Amino acid sequence: GDSVTQTEGPVTLSEGTSLTVNCSYETKQYPTLFWYVQYPGEGPQLLFKVPKANEKGSNRGFEATYNKEATSFHLQKASVQESDSAVYYCALSDLSGTYQRFGTGTKLQVVP
Amino acid sequence: GGIITQTPKFLIGQEGQKLTLKCQQNFNHDTMYWYRQDSGKGLRLIYYSITENDLQKGDLSEGYDASREKKSSFSLTVTSAQKNEMAVFLCASSIDWGSSYEQYFGPGTRLTVL
Repeated sequence: GDSVTQTEGPVTLSEGTSLTVNCSYETKQYPTLFWYVQYPGEGPQLLFKVPKANEKGSNRGFEATYNKEATSFHLQKASVQESDSAVYYCALSDLSGTYQRFGTGTKLQVVP
Repeated sequence: GGIITQTPKFLIGQEGQKLTLKCQQNFNHDTMYWYRQDSGKGLRLIYYSITENDLQKGDLSEGYDASREKKSSFSLTVTSAQKNEMAVFLCASSIDWGSSYEQYFGPGTRLTVL
């Protein structure tokens, strides 16, 4: 079945440093790929989604490119802020076409 | 805009107890979901519903029942709470049943079983 594997956390970074959260997926179809972010005490919210291979999504300084050949969708940010501290989830649209399959989440803590 | 409300925010139960979690959305979305969130295991789908009175099992449906009697509400029942169980249950909705649509999540119900 479909699956998503992402960087195991927690990840601790200093403010101003760069971030990469790896996301790899397995599927027999051409999925839509998502990044969601969950702040403490809240539910996850969509950061961005990319429906097509070789396209890039971005929002709030975060970006990821849908790499169909490598089956990857790594999240990057050039310079993190303390306010970026959250849990990040990679997800793909399931083969069934009716729900999304989520990775295990990567907790990011940014320290001053 | 809209909002998803989950009640209660915290739920403490006893082993073997039947517990019900409620979710309401005012987006007028067709599809609703229940996920279980455990540390290190991410979000796992329990049940989803593509329209009123529809129910579909997810990967983790054993030990749970669900009910969608109105478009705006979706409830989840833990049929027999397990001792020392701790998890957050998240409700979500999306405008349509297609998996490429954005999901909107509620803040969660935190369950503790004594």
